[in-house]
Amino acid sequence: GENVEQHPSTLSVQEGDSAVIKCTYSDSASNYFPWYKQELGKRPQLIIDIRSNVGEKKDQRIAVTLNKTAKHFSLHITETQPEDSAVYFCAAILGGGSYIPTFGRGTSLIVHP
Amino acid sequence: NAGVTQTPKFQVLKTGQSMTLQCAQDMNHNSMYWYRQDPGMGLRLIYYSASEGTTDKGEVPNGYNVSRLNKREFSLRLESAAPSQTSVYFCASRGARGLEETQYFGPGTRLLVL
Repeated sequence: GENVEQHPSTLSVQEGDSAVIKCTYSDSASNYFPWYKQELGKRPQLIIDIRSNVGEKKDQRIAVTLNKTAKHFSLHITETQPEDSAVYFCAAILGGGSYIPTFGRGTSLIVHP
Repeated sequence: NAGVTQTPKFQVLKTGQSMTLQCAQDMNHNSMYWYRQDPGMGLRLIYYSASEGTTDKGEVPNGYNVSRLNKREFSLRLESAAPSQTSVYFCASRGARGLEETQYFGPGTRLLVL
């Protein structure tokens, strides 16, 4: 089955800095990669996603890049703000229609004012 | 439109007790999922239901059973709770978001087994 590794487990930055979270996956048949943000005590919510036919996608201060050859994808947050503090999860989903995500273990991002 | 709802929000059980976690969605989604979330472990799939009348095991199904009562509701049952089942449980459904499909999560149930 699919295996997703996520690093780092904790990331501490100063407000205004950039943050990068990296994930690798094992199954080249995975073709959809969503990222979720989970604030303390809340539910995970989708923040951005990318398909395997796209190399990069951007939405305001967040972007995701995908390298299919190396089987890794990354979340980039620029100009971080304290409200970006949360746990971020990556996931990989195999093609074929079954839609069973394999999640990474999460990255706790702390943005210091 | 309430999205995905879960009951109860919190529960404390003694070892060996049973309980059912309830989940409902009002978005007319076919697929529903149950996850558990433990510190440092991410979200692990317990069971899922691709459509009404079907259920399948996920990564960690032992100690759990599920029922897809109808298209809206998907319940998770612990027949004999164990301390290892102390966790936060999330239900999710899958539906369209623009051109893609994504999972919509419920607010979670925090379960403590003593």
